[in-house]
Amino acid sequence: DQQVKQNSPSLSVQEGRISILNCDYTNSMFDYFLWYKKYPAEGPTFLISISSIKDKNEDGRFTVFLNKSAKHLSLHIVPSQPGDSAVYFCAASSNNNDMRFGAGTRLTVKP
Amino acid sequence: GAVVSQHPSWVICKSGTSVKIECRSLDFQATTMFWYRQFPKQSLMLMATSNEGSKATYEQGVEKDKFLINHASLTLSTLTVTSAHPEDSSFYICSASTSGRWTDTQYFGPGTRLTVL
Repeated sequence: DQQVKQNSPSLSVQEGRISILNCDYTNSMFDYFLWYKKYPAEGPTFLISISSIKDKNEDGRFTVFLNKSAKHLSLHIVPSQPGDSAVYFCAASSNNNDMRFGAGTRLTVKP
Repeated sequence: GAVVSQHPSWVICKSGTSVKIECRSLDFQATTMFWYRQFPKQSLMLMATSNEGSKATYEQGVEKDKFLINHASLTLSTLTVTSAHPEDSSFYICSASTSGRWTDTQYFGPGTRLTVL
């Protein structure tokens, strides 16, 4: 079952503009959310995370927003750079260590 | 920074043979290691969680007799695909953590591409 969904398989953005990647979840028990970035033929790398007690977490150009009532989180990248082109996975976990990943969104940042 | 390696990076084997994939944390001790499988155009699938010195915890739907996981030390975990078949062809990724909680940063290996003929 798809408890974590990334409904946009791909996103194309111009360099310097904002990239917004979205993620929806269905399980209200999830209390921690993570974003991973993955280049082809490499393992995913941890990018940023947020606890359910917060609604925003910022790290440099990356900001994650959490809307618990809507069961929705988003990753904002500002400004977008060509090196940001990759597949981005969101993941959600709960206290029992249940972990679910979204299918990923491929971001392409055009120069 | 923390580095996790996987060996081999790619492997081709005949149907019916077994393949072992190693996951090593090079500069830190990994209390917990995770094994994932990535299907084409699909998300990473968590296969199992292994803690050093204890049996791995497998996710629902993952055959523990087919995917043998051993976490013999704080720096090494192995995944053995037994009697591999073409449907086992996939990209296998491990990650390592200094704790067992998903809230802590995980360091991912580069992955192993398995092709079963």
